[in-house]
Amino acid sequence: QSVLTQPPSLSAAPGQKVTISCSGSSSNIGKNYVSWYQQLPGTAPKLLIYDNNKRPSGIPDRFSGSKSATSATLGITGLQTGDEADYYCGTWDSSLSAGVFGGGTQLTVL
Amino acid sequence: EVQLVESGGGLVQPGGSLRLSCAASGFTFSTYSMHWVRQAPGKGLEYVSAISSDGGSTYYANSVKGRFTISRDNSKNTLYLQMGSLRPEDMAVYYCARDPNWNYPHFDYWGQGTLVTVSS
Repeated sequence: QSVLTQPPSLSAAPGQKVTISCSGSSSNIGKNYVSWYQQLPGTAPKLLIYDNNKRPSGIPDRFSGSKSATSATLGITGLQTGDEADYYCGTWDSSLSAGVFGGGTQLTVL
Repeated sequence: EVQLVESGGGLVQPGGSLRLSCAASGFTFSTYSMHWVRQAPGKGLEYVSAISSDGGSTYYANSVKGRFTISRDNSKNTLYLQMGSLRPEDMAVYYCARDPNWNYPHFDYWGQGTLVTVSS
């Protein structure tokens, strides 16, 4: 049981927009920045968004992040088949004094 | 180019010990906090442990507290995870990850992972 809650799976057509939600609590998302990671099959996770809404160099602006209270959202526009992956939200939990992740969302682009 | 290369994984019996290493290159290792994250086969990411840039502060997930020890040798640009009293549920790919902001952790570079198998 993950501390952060994500939908297990989502699907959308190429070119469409999708949003992935991440729900937490006052001790994690409510107090700390959220980051998002993309994991393609058989590879290590890759940072997509940090500090709620910042993109690392090289990440296209099709990817965006937002946070409100104890929830966060990853948005992906102009979906491509190469976006098929597992997506994870993560943050620090101030009560646990440890990092926490969501259970992951498997995105299918069909 | 930033590189993180894990090693030390393998097969270990329940109750056994193992030490993982993460060799860092391409950046000033001593100025970054570092973390371990694991992923059981077919499962999601699970946070394991963190260490500050100077090694003076460490944190652990409840699931490994008292059994795992994180450490680093800044002279060797290497991060370690000493794992003891291993359980079948510790079986996973273990990733080391770099954290550019100790106050608001996130992981901007990851290694390729090393597989730990716990089985008799």
